[in-house]
Amino acid sequence: GENVEQHPSTLSVQEGDSAVIKCTYSDSASNYFPWYKQELGKRPQLIIDIRSNVGEKKDQRIAVTLNKTAKHFSLHITETQPEDSAVYFCAASIFVMRSQGNLIFGKGTKLSVKP
Amino acid sequence: NAGVTQTPKFRVLKTGQSMTLLCAQDMNHEYMYWYRQDPGMGLRLIHYSVGEGTTAKGEVPDGYNVSRLKKQNFLLGLESAAPSQTSVYFCASSYYGESRNEQFFGPGTRLTVL
Repeated sequence: GENVEQHPSTLSVQEGDSAVIKCTYSDSASNYFPWYKQELGKRPQLIIDIRSNVGEKKDQRIAVTLNKTAKHFSLHITETQPEDSAVYFCAASIFVMRSQGNLIFGKGTKLSVKP
Repeated sequence: NAGVTQTPKFRVLKTGQSMTLLCAQDMNHEYMYWYRQDPGMGLRLIHYSVGEGTTAKGEVPDGYNVSRLKKQNFLLGLESAAPSQTSVYFCASSYYGESRNEQFFGPGTRLTVL
């Protein structure tokens, strides 16, 4: 089955710096890669996702890149702000339109942004 | 819309006791999931359902049972709780996606088994 590795487990950056979180997956059939953000004591929420037919996707200060050959994908946060402090989870699944596909999550990265 | 709700928010059990966690969603989603979250372990899928009356095992199903008698509800049962089941439990739901599989999570239930 699919296995998702996520690094680093903790990341501390200064406000305004960039942060990068990397994930690798094992199943070459996986084609959908979302990222979830979980603030302290809150529920996980989807912040960005990418499908395997796209190499990069951007949404304001966050971007995700995908390298299908190497089977890894990354989350990039630019101009970090204190409110970016949270645990970030990557995930992988096999997506079929209008069908169900289980997400396999990485173990999470705790990002701390120091003011 | 309330989205995904979970009952209870907190619970303390003694070893061997049983309990049921209730998840409800008002978004008419077909798919529902139960996860457990442990420190450093991420979110691990316990059981899931692809529709009313159906359930299936996830990564860590042992010690848990589920039922989905109504489309909007997904119940997680612990028949004989063990300390290893101390965790935060999240329910999630998702819809027939055209281009994504976004899961909407409930607020979580913190369970302690003594």
